[in-house]
Amino acid sequence: GAGVSQSPSNKVTEKGKDVELRCDPISGHTALYWYRQSLGQGLEFLIYFQGNSAPDKSGLPSDRFSAERTGGSVSTLTIQRTQQEDSAVYLCASSLQSTISEQYFGPGTRLTVT
Amino acid sequence: GQQVMQIPQYQHVQEGEDFTTYCNSSTTLSNIQWYKQRPGGHPVFLIQLVKSGEVKKQKRLTFQFGEAKKNSSLHITATQTTDVGTYFCAGEDSGGGADGLTFGKGTHLIIQP
Repeated sequence: GAGVSQSPSNKVTEKGKDVELRCDPISGHTALYWYRQSLGQGLEFLIYFQGNSAPDKSGLPSDRFSAERTGGSVSTLTIQRTQQEDSAVYLCASSLQSTISEQYFGPGTRLTVT
Repeated sequence: GQQVMQIPQYQHVQEGEDFTTYCNSSTTLSNIQWYKQRPGGHPVFLIQLVKSGEVKKQKRLTFQFGEAKKNSSLHITATQTTDVGTYFCAGEDSGGGADGLTFGKGTHLIIQP
């Protein structure tokens, strides 16, 4: 079956512009996560959706970052007024139920802010 | 908040040598997961440990979960070039909460043929 998909795969934007990153989780997975990974670094947790519960936004680095998950499936991560330090790979993962389940990662979106 | 630390950050080995990466949490974990990320790729799940003192093996890979459920290790016997990549541990705090898994910064394994 299809895995987690993300789009676009690459995004180059000018400083100050807004960007939207999309994640399509595996069908039936109720949990969805967004992470950020800078070059050669670890995974920085951003936000976690579990079913219809209110998302845990504790990892979002600033109020320029927001995320939505519509209908318990597709998720969009929005970064407003992008800054150069936002340049990174943004990874989405989904899991069957919760953090007790293994996470399946998408290929990521490489964001470059010029 | 919970912190997960991994050492070493980088490890160079000759092909055929063994490799170990260690993961330590500042809090007691309910479970720990290990992921491998190949260069240019995305993290791929390897294994999950749940029980205190648990040991699991996958071919040349041996995973351990400490008795106190605060540390874990991944050992690779007789490394091969296909083992190259970054190995991440990720733990869930046993205290609950909804902040997902906390990932370590990873250990980059570099193998010299």
